[in-house]
Amino acid sequence: DTAVSQTPKYLVTQMGNDKSIKCEQNLGHDTMYWYKQDSKKFLKIMFSYNNKELIINETVPNRFSPKSPDKAHLNLHINSLELGDSAVYFCASSRRDNTEAFFGQGTRLTVV
Amino acid sequence: AQSVTQLGSHVSVSEGALVLLRCNYSSSVPPYLFWYVQYPNQGLQLLLKYTSAATLVKGINGFEAEFKKSETSFHLTKPSAHMSDAAEYFCAVTHSNSGYALNFGKGTSLLVTP
Repeated sequence: DTAVSQTPKYLVTQMGNDKSIKCEQNLGHDTMYWYKQDSKKFLKIMFSYNNKELIINETVPNRFSPKSPDKAHLNLHINSLELGDSAVYFCASSRRDNTEAFFGQGTRLTVV
Repeated sequence: AQSVTQLGSHVSVSEGALVLLRCNYSSSVPPYLFWYVQYPNQGLQLLLKYTSAATLVKGINGFEAEFKKSETSFHLTKPSAHMSDAAEYFCAVTHSNSGYALNFGKGTSLLVTP
């Protein structure tokens, strides 16, 4: 069983569309995260949820909205997609003290 | 706030040679430090972590790192490189005052030549 799974793995869409990326973890962790990796491979935190509560909300356009229906899931909704949103998005989870974060395989989003 | 700087965006070593990837951190509080590896088209895998216990940390695949507070460094080493070590390596720092979100360095691409 995959510890942190994301779907889809690849997503190609047109500008202006709305899309969602789903993430699920089966590790029993309390905290989940979304990170963005740009074309230069730089990784940056976007959001963090702890027990369905938003903990971190970095400077991210409000077109991005995370939703956590339960502590095992953290989905990412993106409205009005722009070319600059093209990147790899990683979901991760950890125990509250985050001595080890487990990452999903990533979702490569391409906006055309 | 915490941050890390990785020196050298690309490092090339011969198979069997020493691997040394450099990471310096900046933190106003005792940090937690990590090294992650990313293989092409894959997610990140934890190599090792420092969480204020032993300063010399051993990780998977023969890697180790030493926390040096006086030098604010956490360099990653491996005595003998294998072809399979070719990947992107990320140093990261976190602390409770940042909600335990990881702040990553810009990454170092390791190339291993025969």
